[in-house]
Amino acid sequence: DIQMTQSPSFLSASVGDRVTINCKASQNINKYLNWYQQKLGEAPKLLIYNTNNLQTGIPSRFSGSGSGTDYTLTISSLQPEDVATYFCLQHSSRPFTFGSGTKLEIK
Amino acid sequence: QVKLLQSGAALVKPGDSVKMSCKASGYTFTDYIIHWVKQSHGKSLEWIGYINPYSGGTNYNEKFKSKATLTVDKSSSTAYMEFSRLTSEDSAIYYCARRVIDWGQGVMVTVSS
Repeated sequence: DIQMTQSPSFLSASVGDRVTINCKASQNINKYLNWYQQKLGEAPKLLIYNTNNLQTGIPSRFSGSGSGTDYTLTISSLQPEDVATYFCLQHSSRPFTFGSGTKLEIK
Repeated sequence: QVKLLQSGAALVKPGDSVKMSCKASGYTFTDYIIHWVKQSHGKSLEWIGYINPYSGGTNYNEKFKSKATLTVDKSSSTAYMEFSRLTSEDSAIYYCARRVIDWGQGVMVTVSS
């Protein structure tokens, strides 16, 4: 199985800050990497698919990048409504595997 | 728009089985794979497997192969997951998702005597 190592586990930042979250795969996942946002008590919501494609309706302050084994989610200017836990998912090979999550809070 | 409406919370006894549903609307049910995902309390997500509603073909995470059974009813655009021989480790929220894009609201399963 492909292991996804996500960092940091916890992140506290101020409104307006640039925030980055990372996922490292145990092998090449050929950009088959999605990012999700999960707010308390809600289902995960797709933000970015296949590394850098913004899902319809998602604000442009969210972006993704990466290749091979290393991937990054960037929030260009943190907003109060971005408080959530963020997960990555590799869907390059089965079983699909998720990162352990990054809990993002506002300072 | 695409909606996946999951069945309600379940309280089940250890050793029992639970069958949960995921009713799809807003698209052609047989066109897209349905995935199932487990989220243990306060923890990350685990992929259980998927079913192709058109063919009925399935693919399971080895970890859940003896635990989960995925089926569909095309006539009602509903996917089902049955979880058997439940233990406390199976207490979690279970999500269905269309192509890991659109997600249901989740079903909380509590295993307790």
